[in-house]
Amino acid sequence: DIQMTQSPSSLSASVGDRVTITCRASQNIASYLNWYQKKPGKAPELLIYAASSVQGGVPSRFSGSISGTDFTLTISNVQPEDFATFYCQQSYTTPYTFGQGTKLEIK
Amino acid sequence: QVQLVQSGAEVKKPGASVKVSCKASGYTFSSYGITWVRQAPGQGLEWMGWINFYNGYNGNTNYAQKFQGRVTMTTDTSSTTAYMELRSLTSDDTAVYYCARGRYQDDDPRNPNWFDPWGQGTLVTVSS
Repeated sequence: DIQMTQSPSSLSASVGDRVTITCRASQNIASYLNWYQKKPGKAPELLIYAASSVQGGVPSRFSGSISGTDFTLTISNVQPEDFATFYCQQSYTTPYTFGQGTKLEIK
Repeated sequence: QVQLVQSGAEVKKPGASVKVSCKASGYTFSSYGITWVRQAPGQGLEWMGWINFYNGYNGNTNYAQKFQGRVTMTTDTSSTTAYMELRSLTSDDTAVYYCARGRYQDDDPRNPNWFDPWGQGTLVTVSS
């Protein structure tokens, strides 16, 4: 199975900060990488698909990039509603696998 | 709008089975696959499998090895509802189960790649 390793596992930020979360795949997955936001008691929501495409309706402060097997989710100008847990997910091959999650907390 | 509405919470005894439903609306049901993902208490997201519509065939499935032989995913196109049945439940199966609509990367309809939107989740509690 492809292992997805997210870092950091948690981070604290203030409103207005720029935040970067990284996801590393254990092998080549091309651009088959998606990002989701998960809030407690709510269903996950798709933010980024195919590594860098922003899902419709998602604020433009969210962006994704790829460098080899490293993927980055960037939130510029963090807003109060952004505090949540973020998961990457590879869809290059089954079983699809998620990263362990990155919890973004208010500083 | 596109919406997935799941059935209500379930409490099951060890060894029993559970069947969760996922009612889709707002789109052509047979044009998109459905995936199932679960989240155990305090844990991350875990992909269980998907059911897809490909080449006119209703019901191609792909299950995670962990659930092979214990899970069955089906659809009813007449009611635009997807189902996930999990058998031989143990306490480790206590989790919130989510369905989500699959979308296709590079317009390849064989494998749903990303998932949006998601159902609201169904809590399944396994306890004696």
